Amino acid sequence: DVKVTQSSRYLVKRTGEKVFLECVQDMDHENMFWYRQDPGLGLRLIYFSYDVKMKEKGDIPEGYSVSREKKERFSLILESASTNQTSMYLCASSASLGEQFFGPGTRLTVL
Amino acid sequence: AQSVAQPEDQVNVAEGNPLTVKCTYSVSGNPYLFWYVQYPNRGLQFLLKYITGDNLVKGSYGFEAEFNKSQTSFHLKKPSALVSDSALYFCAVRPRGGATNKLIFGTGTLLAVQP
Repeated sequence: DVKVTQSSRYLVKRTGEKVFLECVQDMDHENMFWYRQDPGLGLRLIYFSYDVKMKEKGDIPEGYSVSREKKERFSLILESASTNQTSMYLCASSASLGEQFFGPGTRLTVL
Repeated sequence: AQSVAQPEDQVNVAEGNPLTVKCTYSVSGNPYLFWYVQYPNRGLQFLLKYITGDNLVKGSYGFEAEFNKSQTSFHLKKPSALVSDSALYFCAVRPRGGATNKLIFGTGTLLAVQP
């Protein structure tokens, strides 16, 4: 079975802090994705990566950056956390054109 | 703009009754279509997908979905609901011919199955 793991289930940070969310997949997938999930808005794509060191902006990249130095790991970085970034963050991976497999999510609260 | 609509925020059904969760899309061409389920405090789990062929697709946990090209719909169905089916359901589409595997998600429908 594909396994996608995220570094934390729950995270509480203060405004202005730098926040790292990490995602690891074990199926050698080319594609990895970061979404945020908010009630009534569904899933919105922040960034995705289709290869090591390659990244593309999704629908809501402002305030976020990403890093993919190894194929199995995709990190989401909040350079200076703000309260409007309080959300559930979901990581996913997929083989080229296959269905996406999701991690358990990180619920981030920014105070 | 390409979009996916799930017109019902919540669907209520009694255990044992059939259920339908609706999804329509506005995407050019014939996209790939997906359904995912999310249980409380969990990530999304893949249920089923339509690529081509038979319009009725069978998936996990007894769910199936019917693709209707003329109505651009992909409704999720189950003949007999279980209380354990209560969860948040997401429809997603991926335009054909795209170079990447980006999905467009609907806003989700909460399914509540009463005992």
